[in-house]
Amino acid sequence: QLQLQESGPGLVKPSETLSLTCTVSGGSLSSSSYYWGWIRQPPGKGLEWIGTIYYSGSTYYNPSLKSRVTISLDASKKQFSLKLSSVTAADTAVYYCARDPGPPYYYFDLWGRGTLVTVSS
Amino acid sequence: EIVLTQSPGTLSLSPGERATLSCRASQSVSSNYLAWYQQKPGQAPWLLIYGASSRATGIPDRFSGSGSGTDFTLTISRLEPEDFAVYYCQQYGSSPLTFGGGTKVEIK
Repeated sequence: QLQLQESGPGLVKPSETLSLTCTVSGGSLSSSSYYWGWIRQPPGKGLEWIGTIYYSGSTYYNPSLKSRVTISLDASKKQFSLKLSSVTAADTAVYYCARDPGPPYYYFDLWGRGTLVTVSS
Repeated sequence: EIVLTQSPGTLSLSPGERATLSCRASQSVSSNYLAWYQQKPGQAPWLLIYGASSRATGIPDRFSGSGSGTDFTLTISRLEPEDFAVYYCQQYGSSPLTFGGGTKVEIK
């Protein structure tokens, strides 16, 4: 059974780069048509799509974050990663990684548990 | 960007009652590419409905989705104790993918 698990620092200083990794177990990142995404949720608020990647390396980003976001994938390690630069307190959120069935179906049918990242000095 | 507005913000109901949740889009959602998720405190969202009306794997048939264009509805026919949660809609008909602000279904 496929599972996703986020990992990374829980505390990041303002102006620094947030880096998270999602590890996939029970399956492969490259042997299917699935895409892989990042979504975040500030405490007590709603959900925001950050971006999505396919194993070929194709990426799709939310224009509101595009200038600061990089999503990459390492199929051999069964991992995909998120980097968000120049963070501020507004980037404090629970960050989720998730699977999407691929075009044209860009919803999320499997999610990790999420990891809270706090931006504070 | 398509803005999704969910209403009401909070729905107070008793177990066994019917819940009707609304999701209205600022422009037509292409091909009715709209999904619904349930989220419980401290947990990740869980996919309930995709394509506006198709139930995801393992979702009980008391959950149903309907609608098209700009107006979509999630109906829970008879609320079970485990259904009290926050529900989000998401459109995937155009980029960027966007979510509604959520409707909390609470026990009356």
